[in-house]
Amino acid sequence: QTVVTQEPSFSVSPGGTLTLTCGLSSGSVSSSYYPSWYQQTPGQAPRTLIYNTNTRSSGVPDRFSGSILGNKAALTITGAQADDESDYYCVLYMGSGIWVFGGGTKVTVL
Amino acid sequence: EVQLLESGGGLVQPGGSLRLSCGASGFTFSSYGMTWVRQAPGKGLEWVSGISGSGGGTYYANSVKGRFTISRDNSMYTLFLQMNSLRVEDTAVYYCAKIRGWGSDWYFEIWGRGTLVHVS
Repeated sequence: QTVVTQEPSFSVSPGGTLTLTCGLSSGSVSSSYYPSWYQQTPGQAPRTLIYNTNTRSSGVPDRFSGSILGNKAALTITGAQADDESDYYCVLYMGSGIWVFGGGTKVTVL
Repeated sequence: EVQLLESGGGLVQPGGSLRLSCGASGFTFSSYGMTWVRQAPGKGLEWVSGISGSGGGTYYANSVKGRFTISRDNSMYTLFLQMNSLRVEDTAVYYCAKIRGWGSDWYFEIWGRGTLVHVS
């Protein structure tokens, strides 16, 4: 059973920088898992932020960036703003048409 | 404009069946894989099922394998999810999403607004 791990919660001050990570319970995340990131506010559908590790989706500001840090995928938000307060999900493509989501990270900006 | 609109959700008893639909517009439907993702109340996102553009490849999470069937009608620009033997734990908002980069980028590009399935 593959488990994708994310920090449950994160707090950041306005203007600050935070890095969320996406790991595997067993093994390392690499670009071969095509990590993608999604932002979701309560009651709304997810919004695509990053795909293929580090490519921003159309219309996503450049203060959102993706990378591989060590053995995890990472989403970095620089210059955090109040409307960045959301849940953030990563998903990894496991091959053979199968994806697995992480549990999500609740980001608070205060 | 690319749009996805889910329908078919509702209240169903445990053991019952429901068929979800997702109408697509604004893109060449048959050229893209599609997927269903669900979110139980207060919980995170869970990938449920995916299907290739032609419909020839179908894929399922272990939690729904053998109970759910994904299909598509490319002439009608519609994606389906037939859900049988429903359980209380299947209660969730079900989102359909367009897969971009089948064979390359493997991500969910566009999402619908979701439809609520309540098993009780």
